[in-house]
Amino acid sequence: DSGVTQTPKHLITATGQRVTLRCSPRSGDLSVYWYQQSLDQGLQFLIHYYNGEERAKGNILERFSAQQFPDLHSELNLSSLELGDSALYFCASSALESGNTIYFGEGSWLTVV
Amino acid sequence: AQSVTQLGSHVSVSEGALVLLRCNYSSSVPPYLFWYVQYPNQGLQLLLKYTTGATLVKGINGFEAEFKKSETSFHLTKPSAHMSDAAEYFCAVSEGYGGSQGNLIFGKGTKLSVKP
Repeated sequence: DSGVTQTPKHLITATGQRVTLRCSPRSGDLSVYWYQQSLDQGLQFLIHYYNGEERAKGNILERFSAQQFPDLHSELNLSSLELGDSALYFCASSALESGNTIYFGEGSWLTVV
Repeated sequence: AQSVTQLGSHVSVSEGALVLLRCNYSSSVPPYLFWYVQYPNQGLQLLLKYTTGATLVKGINGFEAEFKKSETSFHLTKPSAHMSDAAEYFCAVSEGYGGSQGNLIFGKGTKLSVKP
């Protein structure tokens, strides 16, 4: 158990819908990262937040957004869903902005039908 | 831009045999390098990482990797495979020296099968 908690574990939704994935980082970790794992694209970095502020963006679509709240939990919002958005979404956390081990949650499986 | 190439999407070894998973990277800055393992229906677990210092890095479960700058490689090895090592292994790179260690660029992964 990495200490990073993600909900929901599985989610099935229809095209065009919007979903929110939630992540609770390890206790005390200020950095939260989101990654997408799909069969065709592999593991891709989406976005990084540090203590509530966006720090870096990767291959995140404009239809996707994220935020980190004062209690340090984070949410990834996916809107106007397409079939190709079906993937495993990972949250990860680390204590500092850099230089510390990154711990991954078990992921949220999103299936768009 | 940084990138990672893992040679071989699937590697099969016999139990007790040497495990060698290959990883080559491209980076314009001194890299931080990582190996992660993913068991079925689970998240990613860090096996080992190289940041600075000793180029031979030892990790968990008997795995180790050697950073070779001249070859831009970071191959993962284990002297003797166990059945429990069957999983998918990912090599990753990130910017060092102030870059966020968590903005990882992953390879496509190598599935390791271990035959009894």
